[in-house]
Amino acid sequence: DSGVTQTPKHLITATGQRVTLRCSPRSGDLSVYWYQQSLDQGLQFLIQYYNGEERAKGNILERFSAQQFPDLHSELNLSSLELGDSALYFCASSAGTRIGELFFGEGSRLTVL
Amino acid sequence: AQSVTQLGSHVSVSEGALVLLRCNYSSSVPPYLFWYVQYPNQGLQLLLKYTSAATLVKGINGFEAEFKKSETSFHLTKPSAHMSDAAEYFCAVSGEGGKLIFGQGTELSVKP
Repeated sequence: DSGVTQTPKHLITATGQRVTLRCSPRSGDLSVYWYQQSLDQGLQFLIQYYNGEERAKGNILERFSAQQFPDLHSELNLSSLELGDSALYFCASSAGTRIGELFFGEGSRLTVL
Repeated sequence: AQSVTQLGSHVSVSEGALVLLRCNYSSSVPPYLFWYVQYPNQGLQLLLKYTSAATLVKGINGFEAEFKKSETSFHLTKPSAHMSDAAEYFCAVSGEGGKLIFGQGTELSVKP
């Protein structure tokens, strides 16, 4: 158990809809990262927050947005969903003191029909 | 920009045989390199990391990796494969803000 909690574990929705994925980081971790894992693209970095502020941005579509709240949990919002958005979305957290040591949740599997 | 390339999307070995998973990196600065493992239906977990100290890095579950600057490589090895090693393995390099840039992954199968 990594200590990172993601909900929901599975989500099935239709094209054009909007969903929110939630992540609770390990206790005390200030950094949260979102990754998308798909068969064709592999593991793609989406966005990072540190203590409530956006720290780095990757290949995140304009239809997607994220935020980190004062209690350090984070949400990833995906809107106007397309079939190609079907993927496993991972959240990871880190304390920030050890570079690259990320703790991953079990992921949220999104299926867009 | 940093990147990693994993050679071979799938590797199959027999139980007890040597495991060798290949990773080459590209980085404009001295890199921090990592190997992560993903077991079925689980998130990724850190196997080992290189942070410019010893070039031979030992990780969990008997895995180790050697940093070779001249070859820009960071290959993962284990002397004797076990059935429980079957998983997907990802090589990664650290990027801006501590984010990780992952390779495409190598699926390891272990035959009895």
